[in-house]
Amino acid sequence: EADIYQTPRYLVIGTGKKITLECSQTMGHDKMYWYQQDPGMELHLIHYSYGVNSTEKGDLSSESTVSRIRTEHFPLTLESARPSHTSQYLCASARDRGVGEQFFGPGTRLTVL
Amino acid sequence: GQQLNQSPQSMFIQEGEDVSMNCTSSSIFNTWLWYKQDPGEGPVLLIALYKAGELTSNGRLTAQFGITRKDSFLNISASIPSDVGIYFCAGLNYGGSQGNLIFGKGTKLSVKP
Repeated sequence: EADIYQTPRYLVIGTGKKITLECSQTMGHDKMYWYQQDPGMELHLIHYSYGVNSTEKGDLSSESTVSRIRTEHFPLTLESARPSHTSQYLCASARDRGVGEQFFGPGTRLTVL
Repeated sequence: GQQLNQSPQSMFIQEGEDVSMNCTSSSIFNTWLWYKQDPGEGPVLLIALYKAGELTSNGRLTAQFGITRKDSFLNISASIPSDVGIYFCAGLNYGGSQGNLIFGKGTKLSVKP
């Protein structure tokens, strides 16, 4: 079973607040990902990392930023949250680029008022 | 860019019935993955396929990697209420998308008891 954790699970905040969504994995995976997903809809890749000090933007433009200082940790930050950021944010990790299997965390449901 | 066409978009079936869904693409993939997502949770990997023509089962689930490498299907036999959720296919092309997964838009499965 995959060991990937996200906190908080639910977050309700006001417009303009700075927030950080945490994601950690204990599997030693080099590759980590952030997806944005509206309820019942498709997944959109917003950030990914192939290892420490490596971060790239995904297919969907996002105002969020990420960092990868440690292999196991891949936090996502919004400097000034807006209602348009309301969504579910899913973190995933993968063991090996060639194999492709990604394991997902439980997600953070963000609501910006 | 690469796209996956997943169908049907939604299904509403009677408990005990068999279910079939598929993904097609104009691009070739090296790996096909099938995930299930329960409401409010992250996707969970059900089946991974690595070779053209491969047929793999996981309990009541069976998935196949199309011989042309451009499609895959997932069958669920004797559906039960806990099969409810959204099923996503995902493909990996080693040479494209920088090694990242391409996801279908999902098939929402609802089961009548």
